[in-house]
Amino acid sequence: NAGVTQTPKFRVLKTGQSMTLLCAQDMNHEYMYWYRQDPGMGLRLIHYSVGEGTTAKGEVPDGYNVSRLKKQNFLLGLESAAPSQTSVYFCASSLDRYQETQYFGPGTRLLVL
Amino acid sequence: TQLLEQSPQFLSIQEGENLTVYCNSSSVFSSLQWYRQEPGEGPVLLVTVVTGGEVKKLKRLTFQFGDARKDSSLHITAAQPGDTGLYLCAGNDNYGQNFVFGPGTRLSVLP
Repeated sequence: NAGVTQTPKFRVLKTGQSMTLLCAQDMNHEYMYWYRQDPGMGLRLIHYSVGEGTTAKGEVPDGYNVSRLKKQNFLLGLESAAPSQTSVYFCASSLDRYQETQYFGPGTRLLVL
Repeated sequence: TQLLEQSPQFLSIQEGENLTVYCNSSSVFSSLQWYRQEPGEGPVLLVTVVTGGEVKKLKRLTFQFGDARKDSSLHITAAQPGDTGLYLCAGNDNYGQNFVFGPGTRLSVLP
């Protein structure tokens, strides 16, 4: 099993450009999450999904959109990138609710110039 | 909005020393988790504590959940270079609605 994988690993964008981050899990988990990690601020939840076809906002959703068309995939989109979105993005999945073990991907490092 | 605070923010020690890091909040949590994150990787769950006063041991790591379920500690005995990493606590509020991460303690164990 690959667990949770993320694509791409690293990306540089110019302000205003768009991109999509892909997260895939092969553990048949219902819950999937997108976090961003910034120095000194821990992990902050952007959006999450409780199952195929459903998404919900987390703590810092502005400027991001998500889609969960297939159970195993969770996409994070930036329609118009801003320098404030420079961060490391982590995808995670869990079998059930938050208090279950979350399995994290290796992260995507995004730099917006 | 709940807030989890962790201390110290940074810790650098010699191999063989003992250490304790803390996770504190003014809110009550139904459960607390500790994760370790190594450079360039995602966090990996170490333990979940759910009962006030609970103590769990994982080899040289001892985790304790406060009686009031507002704080937790992680004690490492005889630290080794392999313990180096970012230690994150994360908690689920009493209603199961909000799950938050603390900012982390960055530990460096020098050989």
